[in-house]
Amino acid sequence: KQEVTQIPAALSVPEGENLVLNCSFTDSAIYNLQWFRQDPGKGLTSLLLIQSSQREQTSGRLNASLDKSSGRSTLYIAASQPGDSATYLCAVLSSGDKLTFGTGTRLAVRP
Amino acid sequence: GAVVSQHPSWVICKSGTSVKIECRSLDFQATTMFWYRQFPKQSLMLMATSNEGSKATYEQGVEKDKFLINHASLTLSTLTVTSAHPEDSSFYICSPTGTSGGASYNEQFFGPGTRLTVL
Repeated sequence: KQEVTQIPAALSVPEGENLVLNCSFTDSAIYNLQWFRQDPGKGLTSLLLIQSSQREQTSGRLNASLDKSSGRSTLYIAASQPGDSATYLCAVLSSGDKLTFGTGTRLAVRP
Repeated sequence: GAVVSQHPSWVICKSGTSVKIECRSLDFQATTMFWYRQFPKQSLMLMATSNEGSKATYEQGVEKDKFLINHASLTLSTLTVTSAHPEDSSFYICSPTGTSGGASYNEQFFGPGTRLTVL
């Protein structure tokens, strides 16, 4: 059974700081990994999608990497802003087209 | 990305009543629908998977007679919480996949969610 863990569970940083969120998964047989953002009481916003054959994806100030063999992914946020405050979820797509979500990292960026 | 809507966005009901949640994929054909629920400060947990025109497959621990899923068309799926109780209070989110950009192994899209509160 696939299990996805995110570290840290919560993070508070001052505005402008670069930060890294971590995601690990137990079964490396994945099709892809996706990072999402969730604002309080809202649905999910897709940030980045990395296919199993890829190493990283970039979008603006966000960069996500994938090391499938070691079961790890990181989400790098450059020059953080208060508007980045949200919960960040990673999810892996495995056999049976099942998406398994991580536990999430609650990020607070202080002005 | 794909446009997915859910209705209602929030609902408050009395214990024992049934609540129907609709999920619509507005710009593609959803051959498969995933339903998730999310308890406060927890991650999303898959409840069930349904293919258009077929019965849903439920995850372990999810009562199929309590959470009725209908996926009769490629653009609409419904989740009915029957005889709701306070412990069913949660955030319910649908995720359709299918043709026209939402196929397997590609980006997954999600509805905006429905917050259910059972008094």
